[in-house]
Amino acid sequence: QSALTQPPSASGSPGQSVTISCTGTSSDIGGYDYVSWYQQHPGKAPKLMIFEVSKRPSGVPDRFSGSKSGNTASLTVSGLQDEDEADYYCSSFAGRNKKFFGPGTKVTVL
Amino acid sequence: EVQLVESGGGLVQPGGSLRLSCAASGFTFSSDWMSWVRQAPGKGLEWVANIKPDGSEKYYVDSVKGRFTISRDNAKNSLYLQMNSLRAEDTAVYYCATERSHHWNYWGQGTLVTVSS
Repeated sequence: QSALTQPPSASGSPGQSVTISCTGTSSDIGGYDYVSWYQQHPGKAPKLMIFEVSKRPSGVPDRFSGSKSGNTASLTVSGLQDEDEADYYCSSFAGRNKKFFGPGTKVTVL
Repeated sequence: EVQLVESGGGLVQPGGSLRLSCAASGFTFSSDWMSWVRQAPGKGLEWVANIKPDGSEKYYVDSVKGRFTISRDNAKNSLYLQMNSLRAEDTAVYYCATERSHHWNYWGQGTLVTVSS
């Protein structure tokens, strides 16, 4: 069973940048370029923000960027805006059609 | 516009059964993998199951194997989740989502399943 780890919280002032890490193992994040990130506002469905480590779906602002180094993936939100305050979840493929989410990071805009 | 609308949630006793449905529109349903993802109250996301476009392959998280069955009807643009032997720990909002290359690009609004006596 995979266990991705994320910091429980992160924060920044409007206009600043915040980076969220997602740490796994060589069996998931380190082994595949299938890391994705989701934004979830309270009471709403998750929204895909980044897929395949660093690709942005159409309509997602380029303030959102993703990267990966070894067993750790990262989501960076640049130029923080009030509407970026939300929970963010990472996810990784772990082989044999297994997929796991991280526990989530609550981003607060100060 | 892609739309996914879940239904069928509700209150069920432990050991009971429930069938969730997801009505899809705005895309070629028969071409996409589909998934169910759940979220327990106040908790994170958990992938539950997925199914190949033609229904020939199905995969489940270990905790629901043997109890849940995912299926689809491409003629009706619908996805289903039959849940049997329900447990308190199955209490969650269940989302259906389109899946591509191991990520979920479109999500429904979710349906709440509560397992309690």
